[in-house]
Amino acid sequence: DQQVKQNSPSLSVQEGRISILNCDYTNSMFDYFLWYKKYPAEGPTFLISISSIKDKNEDGRFTVFLNKSAKHLSLHIVPSQPGDSAVYFCAAVRGGSQGNLIFGKGTKLSVKP
Amino acid sequence: DTEVTQTPKHLVMGMTNKKSLKCEQHMGHRAMYWYKQKAKKPPELMFVYSYEKLSINESVPSRFSPECPNSSLLNLHLHALQPEDSALYLCATSAWRGSFYEQYFGPGTRLTVT
Repeated sequence: DQQVKQNSPSLSVQEGRISILNCDYTNSMFDYFLWYKKYPAEGPTFLISISSIKDKNEDGRFTVFLNKSAKHLSLHIVPSQPGDSAVYFCAAVRGGSQGNLIFGKGTKLSVKP
Repeated sequence: DTEVTQTPKHLVMGMTNKKSLKCEQHMGHRAMYWYKQKAKKPPELMFVYSYEKLSINESVPSRFSPECPNSSLLNLHLHALQPEDSALYLCATSAWRGSFYEQYFGPGTRLTVT
């Protein structure tokens, strides 16, 4: 059973516009959610995280929104840049656990000039 | 400093070889992880070390043997691997910081088993 789902395998956005990447989860015990960006053959780069007690966290061009009642989170990138083109993974972790992340399958973002 | 380093970057080994992957961090994090990632898939957890003790082994075959010599170093010893073990091996470290949780990955070692 997939506990973290990214239902869009790909997303294409024009440079300068907003990119919205979505993630759904099923386990209400998750306490933290993280977003990663990944280029081929490289390790994931940590972008931003949010605690389940928050509904928004912002860092530069990246904002993560959490709707706990809907078990849904989204990553907004504004403005999108061609260098943002990569695969984005959503991940979740339970507080008090060993910190083992549960990953979604990823969304490939393409930002076109 | 949020850097996790891994060596080597690339490794090609035969099925009878013994090799080791190394990971180093200086963030003072006390949890360290080994993940395996196949192409177009998310990372899969292999091992978790907490305060230098193995706390999670996700039913990984014994041909993979982790070691945590100290709080900054994490090794993965490889022996008698199979071609299907070819993958990107990722090390990570994590910290709980109040209302934040962060887990940082290294660049990975691209392993090819011939």
